[in-house]
Amino acid sequence: IAGITQAPTSQILAAGRRMTLRCTQDMRHNAMYWYRQDLGLGLRLIHYSNTAGTTGKGEVPDGYSVSRANTDDFPLTLASAVPSQTSVYFCASSDSEGKGYTFGSGTRLTVV
Amino acid sequence: GQNIDQPTEMTATEGAIVQINCTYQTSGFNGLFWYQQHAGEAPTFLSYNVLDGLEEKGRFSSFLSRSKGYSYLLLKELQMKDSASYLCAVTDSNYQLIWGAGTKLIIKP
Repeated sequence: IAGITQAPTSQILAAGRRMTLRCTQDMRHNAMYWYRQDLGLGLRLIHYSNTAGTTGKGEVPDGYSVSRANTDDFPLTLASAVPSQTSVYFCASSDSEGKGYTFGSGTRLTVV
Repeated sequence: GQNIDQPTEMTATEGAIVQINCTYQTSGFNGLFWYQQHAGEAPTFLSYNVLDGLEEKGRFSSFLSRSKGYSYLLLKELQMKDSASYLCAVTDSNYQLIWGAGTKLIIKP
């Protein structure tokens, strides 16, 4: 692993199903983030974690949950997917001062 | 509220120079970033400014004026591969990154 790894790369999901997007980093960054990116709206923060064991809500947290059991992993869960959650999801990490901000390659999710 | 403004789209000619502006209003300031994002890919880091002035890195330069809440990204000797979106982002007083919506740059031959 080099940097941030996201899985899956893409997924088609039936509405109402539960889905977990995985994110793992090997840079020992304290902070991790989940964004969604929709055409014309730019990056919108869903949830973040400043350090292992803590999480916080971003701009658009509804319908999503996260956990941060350790430094490396920051999974994002959609408890019951809806079509409006169709988007490209990016995981990112940085040091405590927001430096070294690095993105994963993204997960393209389609909810039908 | 916190706000970052940048033009939605710009067009420039191969070989020319283009300047992409970014203005911001945030609760505190701890640095400004520029990222490049090609279609279908993740954003990649271009530059970081925390003090006023110009930072030059090859064909790309970034300028910051903290008193004006203003930055620009200058791209010289434009190449077709520079066609991408350019994202401006500011780190606020809580070290949270606030993102602009991005400027789509179209390069024409």
